[in-house]
Amino acid sequence: GPKVLQIPSHQIIDMGQMVTLNCDPVSNHLYFYWYKQILGQQMEFLVNFYNGKVMEKSKLFKDQFSVERPDGSYFTLKIQPTALEDSAVYFCASSLGRDTEVFFGKGTRLTVV
Amino acid sequence: QQKVQQSPESLIVPEGGMASLNCTSSDRNVDYFWWYRQHSGKSPKMLMSIFSNGEKEEGRFTVHLNKASLHTSLHIRDSQPSDSALYLCAASCMGYKLTFGTGTSLLVDP
Repeated sequence: GPKVLQIPSHQIIDMGQMVTLNCDPVSNHLYFYWYKQILGQQMEFLVNFYNGKVMEKSKLFKDQFSVERPDGSYFTLKIQPTALEDSAVYFCASSLGRDTEVFFGKGTRLTVV
Repeated sequence: QQKVQQSPESLIVPEGGMASLNCTSSDRNVDYFWWYRQHSGKSPKMLMSIFSNGEKEEGRFTVHLNKASLHTSLHIRDSQPSDSALYLCAASCMGYKLTFGTGTSLLVDP
């Protein structure tokens, strides 16, 4: 089936440094999402993105977070600077339209030390 | 802010048994419910979605929806050890995003 690719699968970073998580969405999809999951439990919405713009962001999407998809390349989540509480698995997802199946990548496990 | 509540938090069923999972949204604007399954260390994969009142069946999986109470349930019959996973219910409103519940951890005991 359709695949969302995430790079890297694991990242360890020093607190205060910048990190960029990369996502290659399903090729014809138009809506993109980032979710955060801690300890294999609740999947929490961070942000969604359509037509080059953020549509909605949650209160977890701190000022240190930003997303972009320059010229249809990777959809990225940048955290600058990182904090210890940013340690989690970040899942990228995409969908063709609204109310259509959302496909998730395998996640990037981010550890901030 | 919309909340999606799932119960039970964890469930153990014998192999071949029936597993029943519940999910309720607090947002009256919700128009779609989704059930995802996530095996440990893997990405969530959609099992089924439902938006109209009633029941939908696909193989061993049946989903019910009561729109008046914003309650959905997932039933897995003839449960297999490979069904052991975290089951996530999600709700959406106008399709902009999925709001997930806290999940039900299912263990099928062989």
